[in-house]
Amino acid sequence: GQQVMQIPQYQHVQEGEDFTTYCNSSTTLSNIQWYKQRPGGHPVFLIQLVKSGEVKKQKRLTFQFGEAKKNSSLHITATQTTDVGTYFCAGKRSNTGKLIFGQGTTLQVKP
Amino acid sequence: SQTIHQWPATLVQPVGSPLSLECTVEGTSNPNLYWYRQAAGRGLQLLFYSVGIGQISSEVPQNLSASRPQDRQFILSSKKLLLSDSGFYLCACSGGARNTDTQYFGPGTRLTVL
Repeated sequence: GQQVMQIPQYQHVQEGEDFTTYCNSSTTLSNIQWYKQRPGGHPVFLIQLVKSGEVKKQKRLTFQFGEAKKNSSLHITATQTTDVGTYFCAGKRSNTGKLIFGQGTTLQVKP
Repeated sequence: SQTIHQWPATLVQPVGSPLSLECTVEGTSNPNLYWYRQAAGRGLQLLFYSVGIGQISSEVPQNLSASRPQDRQFILSSKKLLLSDSGFYLCACSGGARNTDTQYFGPGTRLTVL
């Protein structure tokens, strides 16, 4: 079926280390969105990427959309304890227009 | 910007009891509405989505149902709850006046079926 695969499922880092989560789709995406869910909270929209090869930055967060529009990544530089949570990618299928969520990557940061 | 209200915030129900969760949206009109379920430590499972009043699409077979009696009201129901219905239920909206793909989530309802 239609899936967006996200890896890793869990990541534990020491505060100050970098973190990256990857998102892959078997089919071309119209756009990809990233969401963050804090522990006990609900997903909150972070950013949307639309163009092939697009790179966007939000402070210590860098988002990339692959040239083929089938994969994306979120990189956090020098993690802080406030980065703790689950990060979801969500890809919009070019053929169906449906938004498909990845399974999420849960980030734990040790102070 | 749109605001999504969900209630109750938490709910404990016995197996076999009925369920009704309500979601209302403010700040937009004619939104697309969604019900998701999230098991503990897991991803988001899309249950239902609606593009308009009375229009409901089901993504997975289950003993839950959804209804949209008004443009900005979305209800999730069950006649008899199962243990496996426990989880975090999230309502989300997209589209509307801005015609955006971005999904905005409500605060969620934590349901425990005992």
